Amino acid sequence: NAGVMQNPRHLVRRRGQEARLRCSPMKGHSHVYWYRQLPEEGLKFMVYLQKENIIDESGMPKERFSAEFPKEGPSILRIQQVVRGDSAAYFCASSPPSGPNSYEQYFGPGTRLTVT
Amino acid sequence: KNEVEQSPQNLTAQEGEFITINCSYSVGISALHWLQQHPGGGIVSLFMLSSGKKKHGRLIATINIQEKHSSLHITASHPRDSAVYICAAISRGSNYKLTFGKGTLLTVNP
Repeated sequence: NAGVMQNPRHLVRRRGQEARLRCSPMKGHSHVYWYRQLPEEGLKFMVYLQKENIIDESGMPKERFSAEFPKEGPSILRIQQVVRGDSAAYFCASSPPSGPNSYEQYFGPGTRLTVT
Repeated sequence: KNEVEQSPQNLTAQEGEFITINCSYSVGISALHWLQQHPGGGIVSLFMLSSGKKKHGRLIATINIQEKHSSLHITASHPRDSAVYICAAISRGSNYKLTFGKGTLLTVNP
């Protein structure tokens, strides 16, 4: 049973370009969370998605950031017109559907975004 | 004030020492996680607790719901335990999202 997969592991973008980060949850998991770790800072929640639904996006910056989790395929975190301040590690986590184990979260290896 | 506070921020120990990292939180929680992150590396979930105590190898995690406090203990520490340890809470009614402490950087010297 493969774990949470993220790609790419490292992404370099110039200011103004778009960044697309992908997350494939563990098999059987229908909940996906995105977290951001800025340099020298702690982890912060960004968005929580279930298949085809955004449940909680209270941690997403108001502009340039969007997330989706389609019926088929991975979850995508999209950052438009990247700026240097977007440079960070972006982690995805997944959890099973509601039930006693739904508080468990399994993390992917992260995508390290560098904006030059 | 952060909802989740950890102490100490930095901890240096000699190999073999018993290690304790503390976490306190200010809100009602549904569950609490202890996570491990090596420098530049991914995040590994060590424990998820909602009550009592859990043990895995040399690692022990405890939680006291009434006192809003959790501890992570490492027995017989080893240099490979050197990492950042992060406490993260799922607040009640928070849609399962994690709120993180700032982490404790543990260095175990041989």
